[in-house]
Amino acid sequence: DQQVKQNSPSLSVQEGRISILNCDYTNSMFDYFLWYKKYPAEGPTFLISISSIKDKNEDGRFTVFLNKSAKHLSLHIVPSQPGDSAVYFCAASADTGGFKTIFGAGTRLFVKA
Amino acid sequence: EAQVTQNPRYLITVTGKKLTVTCSQNMNHEYMSWYRQDPGLGLRQIYYSMNVEVTDKGDVPEGYKVSRKEKRNFPLILESPSPNQTSLYFCASSPSDGLPNQPQHFGDGTRLSIL
Repeated sequence: DQQVKQNSPSLSVQEGRISILNCDYTNSMFDYFLWYKKYPAEGPTFLISISSIKDKNEDGRFTVFLNKSAKHLSLHIVPSQPGDSAVYFCAASADTGGFKTIFGAGTRLFVKA
Repeated sequence: EAQVTQNPRYLITVTGKKLTVTCSQNMNHEYMSWYRQDPGLGLRQIYYSMNVEVTDKGDVPEGYKVSRKEKRNFPLILESPSPNQTSLYFCASSPSDGLPNQPQHFGDGTRLSIL
C-alpha cells in the first residue's frame, strides 16, 4: 500500500500558465514533505520542502501548499517554463524511529512552448 | 564540485552472477541511502546508513546487501541477482543534522538489467 500517492502520471501545460502537481499521503505521522525534480538520465534534485507546522512555502516560481486535514499537498509552478518539463516526485518523512523517506510514483510534467 | 558518483551507469548481466554497484560522495555526509525506481512505484528505499558501520533496512531490502566501512563509500551488493532486480538504482546522501528532513543529494543512477 503506497503511503504517498501521486495520482496523475502526467500533466501537460502551456508555457506561461500555472502547473499544479498534487500529492496525497495516508500516514498522519509524516511531518516533513519534499519535492524533487528529475530530468532524464539524471538523479532527482531537491526543489522545495515544507514542514507540517506550515501550510505554505514559497521559493521563486515554486510554491508548495499543505492541507494536513485532507492529507494533501500540491506544488504550484507559476509561470511554467519549457525547462520545467521533468518528472516531479513528492516525498514524505517522519521523525519516528528510523530515517526513511517515502516517495510517490512521480508526475511527468510537459510544458509546451 | 559536490557530487554523488555511482558506477557503473549501465550493466547487463545474468542471473546469479554477483555484482557490486559502487557509490561515493565527496560532501562528508553521514547519511547515505540506496533506492530503486520502477515504473508506477516511484523510488523505494533499499538500505540506508546513518554513519560508518551503521546500516539499516529500508522498505525493499530482500536480495541486497550493503556495507559502510568508510564515510564516503556505500556499495550495493547483489549476491545472486535475479530478473526482478532489473531496475534503475539511485544512491543518495545528506548531512545527518536535521534528519529525516534533510534534502538528499542523488547520483545519476545505475540501470541494471538481469537476464
